Amino acid sequence: DTAVSQTPKYLVTQMGNDKSIKCEQNLGHDTMYWYKQDSKKFLKIMFSYNNKELIINETVPNRFSPKSPDKAHLNLHINSLELGDSAVYFCASSQGQGVSYEQYFGPGTRLTVT
Amino acid sequence: KNEVEQSPQNLTAQEGEFITINCSYSVGISALHWLQQHPGGGIVSLFMLSSGKKKHGRLIATINIQEKHSSLHITASHPRDSAVYICARNTGNQFYFGTGTSLTVIP
Repeated sequence: DTAVSQTPKYLVTQMGNDKSIKCEQNLGHDTMYWYKQDSKKFLKIMFSYNNKELIINETVPNRFSPKSPDKAHLNLHINSLELGDSAVYFCASSQGQGVSYEQYFGPGTRLTVT
Repeated sequence: KNEVEQSPQNLTAQEGEFITINCSYSVGISALHWLQQHPGGGIVSLFMLSSGKKKHGRLIATINIQEKHSSLHITASHPRDSAVYICARNTGNQFYFGTGTSLTVIP
């Protein structure tokens, strides 16, 4: 059973489009995260939700909007895509609130904006 | 500001060697994480520690809170250990990553 899953695995789209990446965890965890890994492999946290409530919102363009319909899902919507949005996006989850817990990562979604 | 420094950036070792990867940070932390990113891109959490030492198989992680320094050791390294090792600090709800250490273990 996949603990943290993301769809799609690859996403190629044109500038200006709107796209979504879905994330689901079946671990019963309370907290979910979105991370961005740029072309230099540098990871940066974008958002964190605990029980559907936003607890971390780093300096991310407001074109990015996380949506958590329930505790097991945290989707990432991106509007008006730009070339600089090309990256690998990782979803993760952990038990309990905050980041002082072991995190379980999804396989990543490689987004390419042309 | 990141303030999480890793060294070395790149490391090549012969199979069987003892490996050490270092991580330094400049502010107080709630916890320090060590992650492994496989060549295929998947990320696995190896350790989360706030004091002392943890061991899992051939991997050992230590942290010195006073010196704001953590090390990841791999004993009897194996080619399958080849990966990028990333440390990350969290302070409250802030979470910052180091730039990673790329390890290649040669048979």
